[in-house]
Amino acid sequence: GAVVSQHPSRVICKSGTSVKIECRSLDFQATTMFWYRQFPKQSLMLMATSNEGSKATYEQGVEKDKFLINHASLTLSTLTVTSAHPEDSSFYICSAGPYNEQFFGPGTRLTVL
Amino acid sequence: KQEVTQIPAALSVPEGENLVLNCSFTDSAIYNLQWFRQDPGKGLTSLLLIQSSQREQTSGRLNASLDKSSGRSTLYIAASQPGDSATYLCAGIIQGAQKLVFGQGTRLTINP
Repeated sequence: GAVVSQHPSRVICKSGTSVKIECRSLDFQATTMFWYRQFPKQSLMLMATSNEGSKATYEQGVEKDKFLINHASLTLSTLTVTSAHPEDSSFYICSAGPYNEQFFGPGTRLTVL
Repeated sequence: KQEVTQIPAALSVPEGENLVLNCSFTDSAIYNLQWFRQDPGKGLTSLLLIQSSQREQTSGRLNASLDKSSGRSTLYIAASQPGDSATYLCAGIIQGAQKLVFGQGTRLTINP
């Protein structure tokens, strides 16, 4: 299957700082990527749809000024958590896929102190 | 609004058993359906994809079926092994949309 990578795999930061997470499609081009967050023992919650060359589409209740998404190329989307607070601590996962199948990155564990 | 239900939420069985995981959708207008596996602290691994024109897919000891008329899917695992222990998630793409809608998952434990 297709490969999606994420970087970093784990990040610890102080409250008030911003954190950038990268999602890359390694062997295919992705005009659309998806960002999810997952709390412990819960399923994935879609945060936003990242569209190459245009604005991201955010799900209801997700603050677009808090979670900045940039999809500047066909293989890279970034999620920036701005002014992070402890309640933003979570597991963030991206997905992308050629055709109709979605492949997921390994996830990024964010801990905000 | 599409909702996805997975039953059971957790399952623990001895090694070697055949088992079935269930997934149902409130809106049967499913375009594609995927089954995933997630190990603790890891991302999702795609197991099987059933596309709109298909009714089932098989990969090794795994078989997934989709009944669009009822909005139900099952994942059958044959001859279970301890390495199958993980959380299994089903997700569907609704016709007209592109995003996946996930179930809450079934946490599977295979005991040696």
